[in-house]
Amino acid sequence: DAGVIQSPRHEVTEMGQEVTLRCKPISGHNSLFWYRQTMMRGLELLIYFNNNVPIDDSGMPEDRFSAKMPNASFSTLKIQPSEPRDSAVYFCASSYQDRLNTEAFFGQGTRLTVV
Amino acid sequence: GDSVTQMEGPVTLSEEAFLTINCTYTATGYPSLFWYVQYPGEGLQLLLKATKADDKGSNKGFEATYRKETTSFHLEKGSVQVSDSAVYFCALLFSGGYNKLIFGAGTRLAVHP
Repeated sequence: DAGVIQSPRHEVTEMGQEVTLRCKPISGHNSLFWYRQTMMRGLELLIYFNNNVPIDDSGMPEDRFSAKMPNASFSTLKIQPSEPRDSAVYFCASSYQDRLNTEAFFGQGTRLTVV
Repeated sequence: GDSVTQMEGPVTLSEEAFLTINCTYTATGYPSLFWYVQYPGEGLQLLLKATKADDKGSNKGFEATYRKETTSFHLEKGSVQVSDSAVYFCALLFSGGYNKLIFGAGTRLAVHP
């Protein structure tokens, strides 16, 4: 398996524009996580899905952020409109979770710069 | 709520020095504990894990023991190498119905020759 695949690797956009980040989890995994990493706040959990259903989105900073998982092999994180303070590295991770705790596998991240 | 607290970095060591990075946690129930490592420009990779009290996770010379009495999971390595320079994250996973992985702030380690 190629691992968790995120695209794009780098995104530079102007303030006010819509940004869509994409993630393909590892095949067979049933949980997917979106994280944001910044120097100031470290690694923050934004939202996670279990069997394509959003379970906890309490980490989503505000209504400008939305995430979807239309099927088991694809998820998006959208920011509309984007702001300079959204600049960060966004990571997607997936895992197979049942009653036993298992590890999460991370993608290489999308570095977003909003100017 | 559940949380993880790590020692602040950066930690700067000479090659072959002993490493300790402290991690304590707050959680209801009995979480699993993890150390992840992030090399420059990459995502996080699992370094080691422990799923119950007194378990010791180990990998690549790194070790950490799940101490329930002190709610700690300190990372140690007897002799660090330059290639160990990275950011290390302590994390907990609590299986409260749906599993949720929570990370500490990360500790940057710089090892010099």
